[in-house]
Amino acid sequence: ETGVTQTPRHLVMGMTNKKSLKCEQHLGHNAMYWYKQSAKKPLELMFVYNFKEQTENNSVPSRFSPECPNSSHLFLHLHTLQPEDSALYLCASSQERASSGQETQYFGPGTRLLVL
Amino acid sequence: QKEVEQNSGPLSVPEGAIASLNCTYSDRGSQSFFWYRQYSGKSPELIMFIYSNGDKEDGRFTAQLNKASQYVSLLIRDSQPSDSATYLCAVSTGNQFYFGTGTSLTVIP
Repeated sequence: ETGVTQTPRHLVMGMTNKKSLKCEQHLGHNAMYWYKQSAKKPLELMFVYNFKEQTENNSVPSRFSPECPNSSHLFLHLHTLQPEDSALYLCASSQERASSGQETQYFGPGTRLLVL
Repeated sequence: QKEVEQNSGPLSVPEGAIASLNCTYSDRGSQSFFWYRQYSGKSPELIMFIYSNGDKEDGRFTAQLNKASQYVSLLIRDSQPSDSATYLCAVSTGNQFYFGTGTSLTVIP
């Protein structure tokens, strides 16, 4: 099993739909992350979970709702999205969200989201 | 000012040459520095990380860090067409993790 998996790989949804993205890591890590990657823009960190506790929410709109039931699984629940939310959503994990900064993040393959 | 800046490129080098990718960062408290490679349509994959000033070598890749000048670079020796990708610089301050927009590299056979 590869280190970090994400499902689905592609998703098309309407603005009134509710969907969820799933991420699973098989690396024994304790920190998990959601990123948004849009064309020509830097990776945008959305949420961070460290030992199942949300430690960062970088001013993400409430139409994105994360859930981390355990250290291996991370979800991103989507509802009433806008077309500008279309992007590649990447999940990553690291050993922990170390205060020393010496965390190395490993990425999943991403979910390509299109909002119509 | 952007937290992490990279020249978006595209950078083109002939096969076998040295490719030099540069990155500057704004937070002097930054502690850890990472280079990721991202092929088109794929997710980023870690190439190297560096924490201390100086050079760190791993195969054909060398990361260079100069904290006084706030830059980090990646050298790719004997560039191969398979190295053609976007290279992302990432910087961690311990509290925040920032990515640059990436530099597109094309290695011409």
